[in-house]
Amino acid sequence: SQKIEQNSEALNIQEGKTATLTCNYTNYSPAYLQWYRQDPGRGPVFLLLIRENEKEKRKERLKVTFDTTLKQSLFHITASQPADSATYLCALPLRFYGNNRLAFGKGNQVVVIP
Amino acid sequence: GAGVSQSPRYKVAKRGQDVALRCDPISGHVSLFWYQQALGQGPEFLTYFQNEAQLDKSGLPSDRFFAERPEGSVSTLKIQRTQQEDSAVYLCASSLMATGSNEQFFGPGTRLTVL
Repeated sequence: SQKIEQNSEALNIQEGKTATLTCNYTNYSPAYLQWYRQDPGRGPVFLLLIRENEKEKRKERLKVTFDTTLKQSLFHITASQPADSATYLCALPLRFYGNNRLAFGKGNQVVVIP
Repeated sequence: GAGVSQSPRYKVAKRGQDVALRCDPISGHVSLFWYQQALGQGPEFLTYFQNEAQLDKSGLPSDRFFAERPEGSVSTLKIQRTQQEDSAVYLCASSLMATGSNEQFFGPGTRLTVL
């Protein structure tokens, strides 16, 4: 099954700057990768999906890249705002088969300082 | 429309007690997932239903854990003879289709504390 690594240290960033988070994975190459946001006491909320044949995906101030050679995805929040403060989780198919079951990273906390 | 709801939101159980956690998925969603989330960790897959069929229960940590979705909508996760290590947030998620890559809609979770 997949092993997923996200930076365990919180990312403190000044409002207006770009936050960049990293998700590294091992084992097989997934067909897609998803990013979720989780606020304290709430369930994760889907943000973006990127497929293996896509290098980059954007949604408003969010940008995700997917490098299948490096086995890495980068998640960017541009022009960050205090409301972006949350934990961001990357998720991949748990196994090569049954590919709608997800394996999640531990998450990376982002704190946007006004 | 209504999202995924879970009840209770909080449950305190004494060690050895049985608990039942309920999930109401989004109406019409074919797929339903249960995850366990320990403090400071990401969600970990427990089990998966496609309609009423439990297609994958490989993530259930022991035979004390049991899940059902008898009519293909509401699901219940039951934990028998709870242990302290069962303390976690239990998340339910649903998605519209059975195919991969569909976004999953999560409920708020049930925080279980076993004393």
